[in-house]
Amino acid sequence: DAKTTQPNSMESNEEEPVHLPCNHSTISGTDYIHWYRQLPSQGPEYVIHGLTSNVNNRMASLAIAEDRKSSTLILHRATLRDAAVYYCILSRNYGQNFVFGPGTRLSVLP
Amino acid sequence: AAGVIQSPRHLIKEKRETATLKCYPIPRHDTVYWYQQGPGQDPQFLISFYEKMQSDKGSIPDRFSAQQFSDYHSELNMSSLELGDSALYFCASSRPGQGGGDTQYFGPGTRLTVL
Repeated sequence: DAKTTQPNSMESNEEEPVHLPCNHSTISGTDYIHWYRQLPSQGPEYVIHGLTSNVNNRMASLAIAEDRKSSTLILHRATLRDAAVYYCILSRNYGQNFVFGPGTRLSVLP
Repeated sequence: AAGVIQSPRHLIKEKRETATLKCYPIPRHDTVYWYQQGPGQDPQFLISFYEKMQSDKGSIPDRFSAQQFSDYHSELNMSSLELGDSALYFCASSRPGQGGGDTQYFGPGTRLTVL
């Protein structure tokens, strides 16, 4: 399985943008890049996913490098409710289980 | 929108007892995954089912078994419980045609405590 590398932790001030990086240098051409987040004692929550092009949804934006070896999750205006562990996950096929790495623990300061 | 339902939400058992966790996927989702998350750890994949057949297996102990039923709900059966089985157990579901890849939707989890 292709692996991902994320910083252990990041801090942001409330209402400021947050850029969460993820390296996946061994990504294959058919790997999708997924981002999930998890609040304490809750199930992982889907944030966004993409293959090659940048993606936007109501929660966040996903910027994918041209060589696909890295990606960045962008939260445009962090709120206190965005404080969570963010996981960057690669998934090759439909039906493939997710491999969760350590993720990035995001703290949002008021 | 309907979400993944898990029951019970909390379960307390004694060592060597058995436990059954249930998962009800989002309607029209045909694939179910089970994950285990120990205290301070990341979720670890246990087992998955597609169209009622086991599709993949992870680090699931032999003491655990699971199945997916005709209505697509799934049950995780755990026997001879050990203290180390205390964890959050998440179920996730997905279906094809979700815009590429495999977006899994997770339930709220069952917190199992083994005393």
